[in-house]
Amino acid sequence: DIVMTQSPDSLAVSLGERATINCKSSQSVLYTSNNKNYFAWYQQKPGQPPKLLLSWASTRESGVPDRFSGSGSGADFTLTISSLKAEDVAVYYCLQYYSIPFTFGPGTKVDIK
Amino acid sequence: EVQLVESGGGLVQPGGSLRLSCAASGFTFSNFWMLWVRQAPGKGLVWVSRLNTDGSITSYADSVKGRFTISRDNAKNTLYLRMNSLRAEDTAVYYCVRPGYCSDPSSCYTPFDSWGQGTLVTVSS
Repeated sequence: DIVMTQSPDSLAVSLGERATINCKSSQSVLYTSNNKNYFAWYQQKPGQPPKLLLSWASTRESGVPDRFSGSGSGADFTLTISSLKAEDVAVYYCLQYYSIPFTFGPGTKVDIK
Repeated sequence: EVQLVESGGGLVQPGGSLRLSCAASGFTFSNFWMLWVRQAPGKGLVWVSRLNTDGSITSYADSVKGRFTISRDNAKNTLYLRMNSLRAEDTAVYYCVRPGYCSDPSSCYTPFDSWGQGTLVTVSS
């Protein structure tokens, strides 16, 4: 099974400042035949289901603000919120959909400082 | 608009059974693989199971293999999860999830792009 780890567990950032979350997979999720990373980021607010923010490591979903960006390849990935807004307070999860069992990271809680 | 509405959750005793349903609308249900993901109270997300478009290919997490069965009725646009021999550690919100479209009927690796609101299953005596 591919194990996903995230860092930090939580972070508090001032409004308008940058937030950075890292996710590592225990093996590469890059499928070399199509050069795609089978990796996604989700945002979950209290009492709500997760919302897909970015897929294929860096492709922003329709309607997701451009302050959210994803980078990385292989086994190391980063989610960046360039200028934190109050509505970004949430738990963020990474997901690998490269192989069964699909696995999520443990989550990173983002709060306002 | 894609809509996934789960039902069937509730309180059940250890060793009991429950069947969850997920009514899908807003897309051609029979064209999409479907998934179940669960989240224990205050915990993270865990993939449970997935099913291909005609119901012939299934996958399960080790923690539920042999106890849970995923199925679908494409005529009713409904996904099911039959849960037997329930344990306290199965207590969770269960989400019905639609992944992105897969053209290959035998293989599907796409992000989970649409989620239901979830239904809570509590296993307790």
